[in-house]
Amino acid sequence: DVKVTQSSRYLVKRTGEKVFLECVQDMDHENMFWYRQDPGLGLRLIYFSYDVKMKEKGDIPEGYSVSREKKERFSLILESASTNQTSMYLCASRPGQGFLLVPSPLHFGNGTRLTVT
Amino acid sequence: QQPVQSPQAVILREGEDAVINCSSSKALYSVHWYRQKHGEAPVFLMILLKGGEQKGHEKISASFNEKKQQSSLYLTASQLSYSGTYFCGTPRPLNSGANNLFFGTGTRLTVIP
Repeated sequence: DVKVTQSSRYLVKRTGEKVFLECVQDMDHENMFWYRQDPGLGLRLIYFSYDVKMKEKGDIPEGYSVSREKKERFSLILESASTNQTSMYLCASRPGQGFLLVPSPLHFGNGTRLTVT
Repeated sequence: QQPVQSPQAVILREGEDAVINCSSSKALYSVHWYRQKHGEAPVFLMILLKGGEQKGHEKISASFNEKKQQSSLYLTASQLSYSGTYFCGTPRPLNSGANNLFFGTGTRLTVIP
């Protein structure tokens, strides 16, 4: 079974702090993703990575950055946390797509609920 | 380009049936369904690849109508374990470089005894 592990289930940070959210997967997946989940808005893509050191912006990248130095680890960074970044953050991974037309299933972590005060 | 799900929420008694719809304004070639139980990670249920195709998972099945650009998830004889939020996902445009999904806003399903 694929395991996607997020380092913290709950985090409380102060406005202006630099915040690191860590995600590790154990299945040698090429693709990794960070989503934000808010009530009524569903899952919105922040950033994704299709290989080590490669990253692409998603739909809501403002205020966030990412790092992928190793294949199994994908970090989301809030450079200066703000209250509007209070949310549930979900990491996901899947195998590389190559030339496949249909996206293969995503494997999600349990999420990190971040509160910025 | 985010797909639209309906209803937003539904409450069922055990044994009742429900339908969740997912509509897109763009042409679809596949639809993905996920379920997220409270406090847990979203879990993949199924992918529908062809128009009219139906797939099943437990007593949950789905259909995909390419012409109407929509998919429906059918929960038959619901069980307490079906409670959770259901998301549909539709592929982004191929030229976006993402080969990724847009997720709908979710449908919260609650099954009561």
